[in-house]
Amino acid sequence: AQKITQTQPGMFVQEKEAVTLDCTYDTSDPSYGLFWYKQPSSGEMIFLIYQGSYDQQNATEGRYSLNFQKARKSANLVISASQLGDSAMYFCAMREGPMNRDDKIIFGKGTRLHILP
Amino acid sequence: DTEVTQTPKHLVMGMTNKKSLKCEQHMGHRAMYWYKQKAKKPPELMFVYSYEKLSINESVPSRFSPECPNSSLLNLHLHALQPEDSALYLCASSPRSDRVLNTEAFFGQGTRLTVV
Repeated sequence: AQKITQTQPGMFVQEKEAVTLDCTYDTSDPSYGLFWYKQPSSGEMIFLIYQGSYDQQNATEGRYSLNFQKARKSANLVISASQLGDSAMYFCAMREGPMNRDDKIIFGKGTRLHILP
Repeated sequence: DTEVTQTPKHLVMGMTNKKSLKCEQHMGHRAMYWYKQKAKKPPELMFVYSYEKLSINESVPSRFSPECPNSSLLNLHLHALQPEDSALYLCASSPRSDRVLNTEAFFGQGTRLTVV
């Protein structure tokens, strides 16, 4: 069974500082994908970054990077130079690959990030 | 274009009403999902459609009835809902995972449903 763990219910970070949001996962499938989403109070689920289990390099998208440590089953999101607009709920999610016919995308409980001016 | 469009954005319905939520994408994705999200909780998977066929039903009550009329459109028909069904309903789409190793999944803005 899949499992996504986000151990930080809430974080407070000073504007312009870098922030790391933790995510660990558990799967026995060798093929899987890891996602990070941002959900502001408006409710929309905004896709931030994706990492495939076979990707050789860590994913990066602008100010977002994913610190992928496969042996530790860790996929932390790093936001550089945080901005006030980064205040939101952040979800880590996973989907297992072709070996698993389930095709579910499962979410962690989320981390509420507050950026302080 | 990475857009998934959901309508309506807000819906208030009585317990005896019948209503439908609509989700549309034009990215050629062949996997589409319905999620339910209660306040301060993560999204919970309800249904998965793969190549327009229902592949996963997470033991959802029959008062929720999904439909996938074509590869771009996903509906969720609602009938005789309860107040506890009030939530944010999110639709998502993704390339099917048995054709590509794994790729992104995109969500719509959601429909905020209130059952009175």
